[in-house]
Amino acid sequence: DTGVSQNPRHKITKRGQNVTFRCDPISEHNRLYWYRQTLGQGPEFLTYFQNEAQLEKSRLLSDRFSAERPKGSFSTLEIQRTEQGDSAMYLCASSSEQFFGPGTRLTVL
Amino acid sequence: KQEVTQIPAALSVPEGENLVLNCSFTDSAIYNLQWFRQDPGKGLTSLLLIQSSQREQTSGRLNASLDKSSGRSTLYIAASQPGDSATYLCAATGSNDYKLSFGAGTTVTVRA
Repeated sequence: DTGVSQNPRHKITKRGQNVTFRCDPISEHNRLYWYRQTLGQGPEFLTYFQNEAQLEKSRLLSDRFSAERPKGSFSTLEIQRTEQGDSAMYLCASSSEQFFGPGTRLTVL
Repeated sequence: KQEVTQIPAALSVPEGENLVLNCSFTDSAIYNLQWFRQDPGKGLTSLLLIQSSQREQTSGRLNASLDKSSGRSTLYIAASQPGDSATYLCAATGSNDYKLSFGAGTTVTVRA
């Protein structure tokens, strides 16, 4: 395993649908972070895990968003009832030094 | 709450010119300061990481300095090339949770 992977790389969905993204961190890293980046802005922190425990959630993470990290390995980020404002790049990073994956670009029509 | 600002928002220079990108942050209690490169539609590539106890880091044509007392970091790129065209982001790492607070980035265009 040479890096952080994210799937899918692109997702187009209709407003109101649910979407789920996956992040596979570097295997020995116990910290995992999710960020969201909109056009022309820097990434903004959403949430992070240490092993399987979700330690902090940003106010950006409304109740339509949920993240999990079962068994402290891969993580999933689910968005329910998507809205056009959810369109963004969703980035995952592992370790305190924040190795980033390629991101998942979400477009909500 | 950590606020990170990058100036300028965009920069266009002829090939061969040196680049100076500025970053300022409001809370000096940081774990480290990182500079990233982002190409259009892509993820982030880490360029340089400066620990809070360090003053600078160098990698090839890149040099980054850190002044915690004034809340500033500067990224220097020597002898710019068209391949350096990208958005450069700086980010301050929180000392307790290690989460990153990013600036909005500086978009660099190097003209051949």
